[in-house]
Amino acid sequence: RKEVEQDPGPFNVPEGATVAFNCTYSNSASQSFFWYRQDCRKEPKLLMSVYSSGNEDGRFTAQLNRASQYISLLIRDSKLSDSATYLCVVILNTGGFKTIFGAGTRLFVKA
Amino acid sequence: DGGITQSPKYLFRKEGQNVTLSCEQNLNHDAMYWYRQDPGQGLRLIYYSQIVNDFQKGDIAEGYSVSREKKESFPLTVTSAQKNPTAFYLCASNMQGAGNTIYFGEGSWLTVV
Repeated sequence: RKEVEQDPGPFNVPEGATVAFNCTYSNSASQSFFWYRQDCRKEPKLLMSVYSSGNEDGRFTAQLNRASQYISLLIRDSKLSDSATYLCVVILNTGGFKTIFGAGTRLFVKA
Repeated sequence: DGGITQSPKYLFRKEGQNVTLSCEQNLNHDAMYWYRQDPGQGLRLIYYSQIVNDFQKGDIAEGYSVSREKKESFPLTVTSAQKNPTAFYLCASNMQGAGNTIYFGEGSWLTVV
């Protein structure tokens, strides 16, 4: 089983739709969580950190469920510019820190 | 400007040649990383370094080598032993510790011709 798993998609949604992605992690030593966005042929960029209490940044909401070991990303009122691959990132603390990337979920927002 | 600089952005290599990809950061980050990404795939860790003069193999280190002689620099050499080197290479860095965001350079595209 992969340490971090994401549905690869693609998710095809119309503009204005709400879309949600989940990411599951297997190691209970997972300590920090992030969502990154990667555009085609570009480097990943931090979208938002994920806090235990959940957090929101404009149209984006991230949540963490430690009991079920997953994090989620909700995008409201999707824009064409939201089309990208969304990467789930987990930092483990197992004596040293280890950063693990999910393979990403592809989102296409259509007019 | 603070950040991570990778060079070259595009590189063509003949079979049997070694090539070195440069990565420099001025963020004063302790840890640096090299990832490989193939089309439509996720990131795979090649090597990482948490401190100067020390580095560890990642998941796909075979055919690659690195050095960390300075905190700011973490060059990656793709050797002739790497049989399928055509890929997008990403250098990244962060401060060690939980919650510390990882930042990426713009990447280097390597093509074997």
